[in-house]
Amino acid sequence: NAGVMQNPRHLVRRRGQEARLRCSPMKGHSHVYWYRQLPEEGLKFMVYLQKENIIDESGMPKERFSAEFPKEGPSILRIQQVVRGDSAAYFCASSGVSNQPQHFGDGTRLSIL
Amino acid sequence: AQRVTQPEKLLSVFKGAPVELKCNYSYSGSPELFWYVQYSRQRLQLLLRHISRESIKGFTADLNKGETSFHLKKPFAQEEDSAMYYCALSGRSGGGADGLTFGKGTHLIIQP
Repeated sequence: NAGVMQNPRHLVRRRGQEARLRCSPMKGHSHVYWYRQLPEEGLKFMVYLQKENIIDESGMPKERFSAEFPKEGPSILRIQQVVRGDSAAYFCASSGVSNQPQHFGDGTRLSIL
Repeated sequence: AQRVTQPEKLLSVFKGAPVELKCNYSYSGSPELFWYVQYSRQRLQLLLRHISRESIKGFTADLNKGETSFHLKKPFAQEEDSAMYYCALSGRSGGGADGLTFGKGTHLIIQP
């Protein structure tokens, strides 16, 4: 079991471009979570999804950010019209049934020029 | 609002000395508390959770509801314990089906 897989590991975008971050959960896991970590900060919860459903998006910025977890394929975190402040490490986690702990991926480091 | 506080950004101790990484939380219900660890060049991984009441790699942590604390302890530090340690809180049993609230982390350095 390769664990939670995130790609790319590093992503560079210019201001105004779009960023797409991908996350494949561990085999057998149907719950996916996205977190953002700014420099010198802890991880901040963004969104929790199950297949084809957003369960909790209370941590997502209201504009430019969206997430999906389609029936087939990885979960995608999409950031439109990126700005310098979006530079951060974005982590994905997954869990199986709801009372199991979350397992994390390696993260995607997003840099905005 | 739930909050996790790790007051020490950096903690440096000598090999063989006791280690205590502090974690305090704020939550109105009955939370589940976790310690996650990130070794150099590795992903964040679960170290232990309070409901398991187990010792992992010599580390233990006891939930103190009176003091709202979940400090991580190890009696004799080893060089391989050097890492970033994050305390996290969930309002749900197991931590699944809920966004975790993390502290800012403590960088533990074990000096030879």
